[in-house]
Amino acid sequence: AQSVTQPDIHITVSEGASLELRCNYSYGATPYLFWYVQSPGQGLQLLLKYFSGDTLVQGIKGFEAEFKRSQSSFNLRKPSVHWSDAAEYFCAVGFTGGGNKLTFGTGTQLKVEL
Amino acid sequence: DGGITQSPKYLFRKEGQNVTLSCEQNLNHDAMYWYRQDPGQGLRLIYYSQIVNDFQKGDIAEGYSVSREKKESFPLTVTSAQKNPTAFYLCASSAGQPYNEQFFGPGTRLTVL
Repeated sequence: AQSVTQPDIHITVSEGASLELRCNYSYGATPYLFWYVQSPGQGLQLLLKYFSGDTLVQGIKGFEAEFKRSQSSFNLRKPSVHWSDAAEYFCAVGFTGGGNKLTFGTGTQLKVEL
Repeated sequence: DGGITQSPKYLFRKEGQNVTLSCEQNLNHDAMYWYRQDPGQGLRLIYYSQIVNDFQKGDIAEGYSVSREKKESFPLTVTSAQKNPTAFYLCASSAGQPYNEQFFGPGTRLTVL
């Protein structure tokens, strides 16, 4: 079964600093990958997705992510963090034939210091 | 506006009672999902449905039941057999084609008193 690992439970960055959230997956076939963001007590909002093609994908709110097949990673980045980016971030993976099911990581809580 | 609605936002239940959480979507999506979210555990799949009148168990289906009588509706019943039902419940839908992303509702927080 596929699995998703987000090794950082909590991350704190200063406003204006760069951000990288890590995501590793375990599955033999080519996955399709997502990053979602969740504000407290809210649902999840899609930031970006990767299905195929260019391994660097751009998303909303200035986020980007890079798919690295050799490292089984899909790390999320932002060059300059804003205080409003404080939230929980989830990486998710699916695969062809998986019945449209996604497997989610356990999330990374981002705190932004002013 | 198209989207997913969940009601109620907060729900309180006494031990031993069944309770039903509502999920409605007007996105014309074929597939719908129920997740449970607990702190530090991410999202865990309870049930999913890829088409009307059909649904499958997810990873933690014990103590839950669902129905899918209409394309736009996918209610979840938390039964008294669920030993630890206090959690945040999220409903999602997708177009049902390969690779399509899931869209989420705002969630229902269930507390057992």
